[in-house]
Amino acid sequence: SQTIHQWPATLVQPVGSPLSLECTVEGTSNPNLYWYRQAAGRGLQLLFYSVGIGQISSEVPQNLSASRPQDRQFILSSKKLLLSDSGFYLCAWTRQGLGTEAFFGQGTRLTVV
Amino acid sequence: GQQVMQIPQYQHVQEGEDFTTYCNSSTTLSNIQWYKQRPGGHPVFLIQLVKSGEVKKQKRLTFQFGEAKKNSSLHITATQTTDVGTYFCAGPVLGSGNTGKLIFGQGTTLQVKP
Repeated sequence: SQTIHQWPATLVQPVGSPLSLECTVEGTSNPNLYWYRQAAGRGLQLLFYSVGIGQISSEVPQNLSASRPQDRQFILSSKKLLLSDSGFYLCAWTRQGLGTEAFFGQGTRLTVV
Repeated sequence: GQQVMQIPQYQHVQEGEDFTTYCNSSTTLSNIQWYKQRPGGHPVFLIQLVKSGEVKKQKRLTFQFGEAKKNSSLHITATQTTDVGTYFCAGPVLGSGNTGKLIFGQGTTLQVKP
């Protein structure tokens, strides 16, 4: 069966520090991968998606970047965190194709102080 | 641009009462999906509707897809405290091809008083 791992679960980082969140998927190949951010009590904002190794599409201009060094690995990074980067970050995957459901990781709660 | 709206944003009910959340899309959707996010948790897929006018049931949950495939609803009969959470609807982003990109509604947060 397929599983998705995301870590760390919580993170407190000072303003200006770098960030690296990692997500890996097991049990499937060539998944579509996504990073979402959820502000407190709000909906899901798609940040990045990837349909293959090295292929990254950004949905909104921001202080973050994403990379996909391997088929089932997706990394969210920042060189210098801002206070506004605080939030709940969720990695997700879907199978290739139209109209397939998304499977989410456990999420990382990031607080920038 | 494409929008998916959900109402209400919040709903407080007494245990045993019914609950309904409504989802409206600005565009026709090829399918609509529903997710549940427990407090502190991550969204979990509940169901997908594909056909115009489709109705699906999961125990006390009833999902409907409108005839025009632009709206949907989730109805919970006789709520229980285990139903607490935020319910999201989502549909494919227009023109997204095989990327699997979804656009989510803002969610309806359900609180159930025991």
